Amino acid sequence: DTAVSQTPKYLVTQMGNDKSIKCEQNLGHDTMYWYKQDSKKFLKIMFSYNNKELIINETVPNRFSPKSPDKAHLNLHINSLELGDSAVYFCASSPGTSWGETQYFGPGTRLLVL
Amino acid sequence: TQLLEQSPQFLSIQEGENLTVYCNSSSVFSSLQWYRQEPGEGPVLLVTVVTGGEVKKLKRLTFQFGDARKDSSLHITAAQPGDTGLYLCAGSGAGTASKLTFGTGTRLQVTL
Repeated sequence: DTAVSQTPKYLVTQMGNDKSIKCEQNLGHDTMYWYKQDSKKFLKIMFSYNNKELIINETVPNRFSPKSPDKAHLNLHINSLELGDSAVYFCASSPGTSWGETQYFGPGTRLLVL
Repeated sequence: TQLLEQSPQFLSIQEGENLTVYCNSSSVFSSLQWYRQEPGEGPVLLVTVVTGGEVKKLKRLTFQFGDARKDSSLHITAAQPGDTGLYLCAGSGAGTASKLTFGTGTRLQVTL
């Protein structure tokens, strides 16, 4: 009965490779997010989708491409991985897009680029 | 760019002590949330405050939103080892309402 799930939990890969991370929520929420948490634990929004429409697109290299096939799923594809992409990537969801809504986070995907 | 600075960055205290964590910004936020993150997991919401001056209590945790809605504090009374974790404040303000700006984080360790 996991609310927000991500796969894989760990991802170790070589520089230059392309990889994808998948996220699914079973909460019936309309909005999903991708965050990046760096080694200093700073958490920063990358993208957000509401009903499969992109509504937040922060200054992220275009090697990162999110895709939302339906409102329960939000995937993140990363091309040409770089050392600096090593981080923990969190998926989250919320009921809608109003101020003060609770965001429910997944367990994170730990990406290490060698 | 909205920034949220938290202090202190690290806090190591003994069980039973009291502590306060601060979250400060020069920007006004429409709402301010506090999350706790445990190792290997995602952040979990503790509280949301939306009105300037608002105080909310959650058992031994007291949250306050500044009158000008630019800052917030989290006070823990009689800390317990179970309070150990990374505390993150997060504000939503101008622009897309659902966009959260997270603070720099406070790592709390409570020992026996």
